[in-house]
Amino acid sequence: NAGVTQTPKFQVLKTGQSMTLQCAQDMNHNSMYWYRQDPGMGLRLIYYSASEGTTDKGEVPNGYNVSRLNKREFSLRLESAAPSQTSVYFCAIPKGQFGWELFFGEGSRLTVL
Amino acid sequence: KQEVTQIPAALSVPEGENLVLNCSFTDSAIYNLQWFRQDPGKGLTSLLLIQSSQREQTSGRLNASLDKSSGRSTLYIAASQPGDSATYLCAVGGVNTNAGKSTFGDGTTLTVKP
Repeated sequence: NAGVTQTPKFQVLKTGQSMTLQCAQDMNHNSMYWYRQDPGMGLRLIYYSASEGTTDKGEVPNGYNVSRLNKREFSLRLESAAPSQTSVYFCAIPKGQFGWELFFGEGSRLTVL
Repeated sequence: KQEVTQIPAALSVPEGENLVLNCSFTDSAIYNLQWFRQDPGKGLTSLLLIQSSQREQTSGRLNASLDKSSGRSTLYIAASQPGDSATYLCAVGGVNTNAGKSTFGDGTTLTVKP
């Protein structure tokens, strides 16, 4: 999935620990998104950023913070991880002729014990 | 609030069959609809994108249709192959908003048996 790079790919945390998931894009798009996918379910939007320096809440923002320091990078932070945040996290950007075909990174698999 | 439903949750067919996957949505005011494929433990691969003004899109053995008035989209797979086995997700992009804020269905897991 060249164009969107997520780090780390795997992480195990203990309840209460903090961590930051990183997403970087090289496709020069204004918008970036963070989704989470729980087992057997579709994706739900956590936060998004329509442009550098702006962020907005999605459907499930509680327990997360985000930062869009520049056009290329959008980070997702868990301040105090909970078992309910065990999930696969995907970063996405829009691409295509009309700009809204979503293109995803490979995902970051997080387990909170 | 937009809700997206995919039925059935799982489908098993013999190789060579033509099949249809269904996606329904509650709010017809959409910007686009996108179908994805997801292999186990992997990310999402975009298959087809239909804009709200379009009725269908085709790519190889795949054909996706959109009927906004009835709140439905179908993904037709012709001459299925074992390599088509995966989970298929549909995502609906909202109108007059940042259309990347998509609402996803829970997916249909397809197994194509040799």
